Amino acid sequence: NAGVTQTPKFRILKIGQSMTLQCTQDMNHNYMYWYRQDPGMGLKLIYYSVGAGITDKGEVPNGYNVSRSTTEDFPLRLELAAPSQTSVYFCASSCPLCAGELFFGEGSRLTVL
Amino acid sequence: EDQVTQSPEALRLQEGESSSLNCSYTVSGLRGLFWYRQDPGKGPEFLFTLYSAGEEKEKERLKATLTKKESFLHITAPKPEDSATYLCAVQENNNDMRFGAGTRLTVKP
Repeated sequence: NAGVTQTPKFRILKIGQSMTLQCTQDMNHNYMYWYRQDPGMGLKLIYYSVGAGITDKGEVPNGYNVSRSTTEDFPLRLELAAPSQTSVYFCASSCPLCAGELFFGEGSRLTVL
Repeated sequence: EDQVTQSPEALRLQEGESSSLNCSYTVSGLRGLFWYRQDPGKGPEFLFTLYSAGEEKEKERLKATLTKKESFLHITAPKPEDSATYLCAVQENNNDMRFGAGTRLTVKP
């Protein structure tokens, strides 16, 4: 199993550009999450999904959008990138029998200039 | 306000020098407390889950303990390969997960 796979690993955007961070998991997990990690701060939840076709906002959703058309994929869309979106983004998955454990991807480092 | 605070922010140890990391929390209802290890440039990796005060979990040189207000991650006789950032996360009864900022541990040979 590859687990949770994120692409790209690194990206530099100009202010106002848009892009999509890809996330796919091969563990058949129902739950998927997007977090951002900033220096000196805990992981902050952006969006989450409890199953295909269902998404919901987390703590810091502004400037982002998600979709969940399949169990495996949970892309994160950044519209009109801003410097405040410079961060490391982590996708994670989990399941009802996972006892709360999150399985993380390796992260995508995004810089907005 | 519900929050999770980890201390110290950074810790430098000599190989073999035991110590503890702290995670204190204030949440309305605790469903579980999680410890993760994060290596540079990688995603967090699960270590332990604790559910109730008095519970302890061990894995190699690591032992996690839980009280009603805090958790400790004890590192006994650490090795350089234990160098990493250790994250604490608290899951509340409403399933919200709140992460601390982490403790960056460096173990020198």
